[in-house]
Amino acid sequence: GQQVMQIPQYQHVQEGEDFTTYCNSSTTLSNIQWYKQRPGGHPVFLIQLVKSGEVKKQKRLTFQFGEAKKNSSLHITATQTTDVGTYFCAGQPARQLTFGSGTQLTVLP
Amino acid sequence: KAGVTQTPRYLIKTRGQQVTLSCSPISGHRSVSWYQQTPGQGLQFLFEYFSETQRNKGNFPGRFSGRQFSNSRSEMNVSTLELGDSALYLCASSLVGGTHEQYFGPGTRLTVT
Repeated sequence: GQQVMQIPQYQHVQEGEDFTTYCNSSTTLSNIQWYKQRPGGHPVFLIQLVKSGEVKKQKRLTFQFGEAKKNSSLHITATQTTDVGTYFCAGQPARQLTFGSGTQLTVLP
Repeated sequence: KAGVTQTPRYLIKTRGQQVTLSCSPISGHRSVSWYQQTPGQGLQFLFEYFSETQRNKGNFPGRFSGRQFSNSRSEMNVSTLELGDSALYLCASSLVGGTHEQYFGPGTRLTVT
């Protein structure tokens, strides 16, 4: 079926290093959403991008939506231990909201 | 505003039994979606209800069903439980609909033995 692919599956970084996770769809997405799930917690909405080429920033987090609206990325600058968790993208390649498989980020102090 | 609440938080059931999970959305939210989260399959969409009507359904067998009440509270039911149904069941509410900003509850951890 139509999916939203996300890479990498796991990422270990030293505190202070940057981190990027990528999301791709084979079909055009009307919007892309990003969520963060802390260990033992539930997904928490971070942001929604709607426009082609859109870039939004939240402090150290930068979100991009591709020009063709088929891909997106989340970049974290200078990671901190509080950034630990799994980051999910979610889009709508078909009728329903489809989540990527997530990128589990570990930040080593 | 109070967040999304789910009950119970933990549940242990035996294969073949049935289970009902409950979700109370954020006040004013009319859309409630249910997801199954497992380590192997990630977050899988079960169904969405909006104003008591099922608006969308994921690719799950008929053993999985749900409903929504007039106060937007929702329940999901799983009949004839199988070991593979062990998962975290997450409910999410939305002001606009199931394809927009989702507010998740803490989930119900179901273990089937």
